[in-house]
Amino acid sequence: AQTVTQSQPEMSVQEAETVTLSCTYDTSESDYYLFWYKQPPSRQMILVIRQEAYKQQNATENRFSVNFQKAAKSFSLKISDSQLGDAAMYFCAYSLNTGTASKLTFGTGTRLQVTL
Amino acid sequence: GAVVSQHPSRVICKSGTSVKIECRSLDFQATTMFWYRQFPKQSLMLMATSNEGSKATYEQGVEKDKFLINHASLTLSTLTVTSAHPEDSSFYICSVPPGTPFGETQYFGPGTRLLVL
Repeated sequence: AQTVTQSQPEMSVQEAETVTLSCTYDTSESDYYLFWYKQPPSRQMILVIRQEAYKQQNATENRFSVNFQKAAKSFSLKISDSQLGDAAMYFCAYSLNTGTASKLTFGTGTRLQVTL
Repeated sequence: GAVVSQHPSRVICKSGTSVKIECRSLDFQATTMFWYRQFPKQSLMLMATSNEGSKATYEQGVEKDKFLINHASLTLSTLTVTSAHPEDSSFYICSVPPGTPFGETQYFGPGTRLLVL
């Protein structure tokens, strides 16, 4: 079974600074997707960024970028120029590429605090 | 705008009653929807996969007779918690994978907070 591990229960960053959230996963598959989801206090899950395992290039979305290391099974999220609105729970997630809809396996989450 | 809606957003019920939660896909037709449960300060755990036109697929440890899932149409899935007990109190979230060309991206509903007294 696939597992996703987030070893940082809480992180803190100052506004405008950069922070990196860690995620490792375990799978015997070679074709899969990785995601970072944000869950603010409203508890609405918001997709931050996604990475396709067969793509070597790291995904980026504005201030958010990932460092995808397939061999090491590592998928970290870097948030640049942190903003107060970035404060939330961040979940790393994995899904297998089955060609059809596939379930998500989530990590335990990292709570990000953004301070002034 | 919202892609997936859930109703109700919050429900309080007495122990032993049944509660129905609806998940609607507003922008996409979905043959598959997923139901997750999130206990306080914990992660999302998949409960079941809702399949339009066929039986739901339940994850190990989830009682199919307690958590009834009906995928009535390509835009609606319902989760009924039968004979709810306080330990069923949780946050229930559905997700919809819109499929091609969005790949494996899933859109989540806003969640339903269930409190069983």
